[in-house]
Amino acid sequence: DAGVIQSPRHEVTEMGQEVTLRCKPISGHDYLFWYRQTMMRGLELLIYFNNNVPIDDSGMPEDRFSAKMPNASFSTLKIQPSEPRDSAVYFCASSFPTGGEAFFGQGTRLTVV
Amino acid sequence: ELKVEQNPLFLSMQEGKNYTIYCNYSTTSDRLYWYRQDPGKSLESLFVLLSNGAVKQEGRLMASLDTKARLSTLHITAAVHDLSATYFCAVDRAVHSGGGADGLTFGKGTHLIIQP
Repeated sequence: DAGVIQSPRHEVTEMGQEVTLRCKPISGHDYLFWYRQTMMRGLELLIYFNNNVPIDDSGMPEDRFSAKMPNASFSTLKIQPSEPRDSAVYFCASSFPTGGEAFFGQGTRLTVV
Repeated sequence: ELKVEQNPLFLSMQEGKNYTIYCNYSTTSDRLYWYRQDPGKSLESLFVLLSNGAVKQEGRLMASLDTKARLSTLHITAAVHDLSATYFCAVDRAVHSGGGADGLTFGKGTHLIIQP
C-alpha cells in the first residue's frame, strides 16, 4: 500500500478563499483522522470518522471548517472562508480500530495570506 | 480533558550518551504511542504500548508504559546523530464502546539534538 495520500502538499491562498484538502486513507483502515499542527498549539485532533461516519468533531475550531468522507477511500477537509490564522500543516491519518497506531500522510502545508 | 505532558521539551546531548524522555498523561488509558518527526516531514510510528508494563525496543530506543503511574518513558542508549528529531508521545482515550479508537492527544514533543 502507498500509505495515506494527501493533496495538495502545499497550498497558498488569499484570505477569504475556500480551501479544500484531500485525503486517501490506507485501504482497509476503518478510522480516518484529521489533525492540525502549528508551532503554538502543537498537534490537534480536528475530527475523526469511523466507517465513513463522523464520530467526534469537537476539535473543529469554527463553523468555517467542515469535513466529509463520502466513501471509504476519500475524505475532504474544507475551510470557507479561510483566514491567516488557519495557516498550519494539516495531517490526515488512518488506522485499524483497536490498538493499532495511526499512520500519517505527508501533510498539506497551508498558507493563508 | 486528557492532558499529555512531555519533558524535557528540548534536549541537546552528545553522541554515545544515554537519556530518557518522560511522558505523563492525566486520565486512564492503556494505549500509548511514540512517534518521530523529522523537520518538515510527517510523523513516523515508533512504538505501540497497549498494556501496563509493556516494553518495546528497536535499536537504540526503548519505550515502556506504566498505566498505574500514567507514565511512559522513551530511553535512548548510546545516542547517534541520526536519532536527532522531534519525538512525540500520544495517548488514545479509547473511551467509546467496543474499545475503538478515539483519536490521539499528543504531547508538545521533545526536540532532540544529538551532537557528534
